[in-house]
Amino acid sequence: SAVISQKPSRDICQRGTSLTIQCQVDSQVTMMFWYRQQPGQSLTLIATANQGSEATYESGFVIDKFPISRPNLTFSTLTVSNMSPEDSSIYLCSVEDWKGRQETQYFGPGTRLLVL
Amino acid sequence: GQSLEQPSEVTAVEGAIVQINCTYQTSGFYGLSWYQQHDGGAPTFLSYNALDGLEETGRFSSFLSRSDSYGYLLLQELQMKDSASYFCAVRPYGQNFVFGPGTRLSVLP
Repeated sequence: SAVISQKPSRDICQRGTSLTIQCQVDSQVTMMFWYRQQPGQSLTLIATANQGSEATYESGFVIDKFPISRPNLTFSTLTVSNMSPEDSSIYLCSVEDWKGRQETQYFGPGTRLLVL
Repeated sequence: GQSLEQPSEVTAVEGAIVQINCTYQTSGFYGLSWYQQHDGGAPTFLSYNALDGLEETGRFSSFLSRSDSYGYLLLQELQMKDSASYFCAVRPYGQNFVFGPGTRLSVLP
């Protein structure tokens, strides 16, 4: 299994500002995923980050709003830009692990963001 | 597209058995996964069904029937610590994970 850490664990930000969330994995992984989870809701995939290439964004999410970096195989950042109260959410990074036909996703502890 | 449906809430008492259903509308996928998430925590993997049938892991079992587009998570000998949200998820071929809306399980003493 993978051990994932995220920084910061929580933050309170003013609207119009930006926050960069860091995700560190204890092993080298090809793909890293960024999710958003609003209170009481399910997980929504924002984008997939591969090392050495641009992130792939899901419908409804754009690079200008959520720029992602993936400088190496153990680290990624997600920036939430020009924040508004609607961006208040939990942001989670994850990695996948395949054993035969079984895929498991391991999640970081999340970053709880409140935008005022 | 693909979508998954789960009951929004389930309530049961300690020691009981509870079944959380997941129905889906999706074209081919690798398997059906289940994740548990406690309040304030991250989702953690519980169970996976690549093939039809029952998979058992301790007090938790999971079932998949591809012909019925249906699966479930069965929790036995419920404990208070099982109070959490439970998500089913699939990985459609050539696409990323899709999570269900989640079922909030409350275990009462």
